[in-house]
Amino acid sequence: KQEVTQIPAALSVPEGENLVLNCSFTDSAIYNLQWFRQDPGKGLTSLLLIQSSQREQTSGRLNASLDKSSGRSTLYIAASQPGDSATYLCAVKETSGSRLTFGEGTQLTVNP
Amino acid sequence: KAGVTQTPRYLIKTRGQQVTLSCSPISGHRSVSWYQQTPGQGLQFLFEYFSETQRNKGNFPGRFSGRQFSNSRSEMNVSTLELGDSALYLCASSLVVGSRDQETQYFGPGTRLLVL
Repeated sequence: KQEVTQIPAALSVPEGENLVLNCSFTDSAIYNLQWFRQDPGKGLTSLLLIQSSQREQTSGRLNASLDKSSGRSTLYIAASQPGDSATYLCAVKETSGSRLTFGEGTQLTVNP
Repeated sequence: KAGVTQTPRYLIKTRGQQVTLSCSPISGHRSVSWYQQTPGQGLQFLFEYFSETQRNKGNFPGRFSGRQFSNSRSEMNVSTLELGDSALYLCASSLVVGSRDQETQYFGPGTRLLVL
């Protein structure tokens, strides 16, 4: 059974700092990995999706990497801003169909 | 283009009642998935519908059911509500072209259900 773990569970940084969020998964036979952002009481916003054949994806200040063989992904946020404060979730998709297995998330606070 | 919409946004029910939640996917998206989010269990997959058929099912009791209509709108129903069913219920839609999912899932704002 696939298990997804995110470390750390919570992170507080000053504005402007670069930071890394970690995600690990137990079964490397994944189809893709997706990073989401969730604001309090809201739905999920997709940030980046990495196919199993890819090593990384970039969008603006965000960069996500994937090492399928070791079962790890990282989300790098450059020059953090208070508006980046949210919970960040990673999710893996294993088979055809749309089922995602989520980690517990990292709650990020960026202090002005 | 309109996003995924869910109704109602908030709901209060009592134990033993039943509830129906609705999800309208992004236009053209034929796959709709449902997830339950609680502080203790995180986000857990309930089921997925594609072309009016349940394609995948998570590990939830039979009290949780769903269906999808010909216009891809989906409903989920929970019967005999329990206190532990209090959660944020999220639906997500994705585009399927031929036999391939277009992978990126787009989530709605969720329905927050409180069971008293």
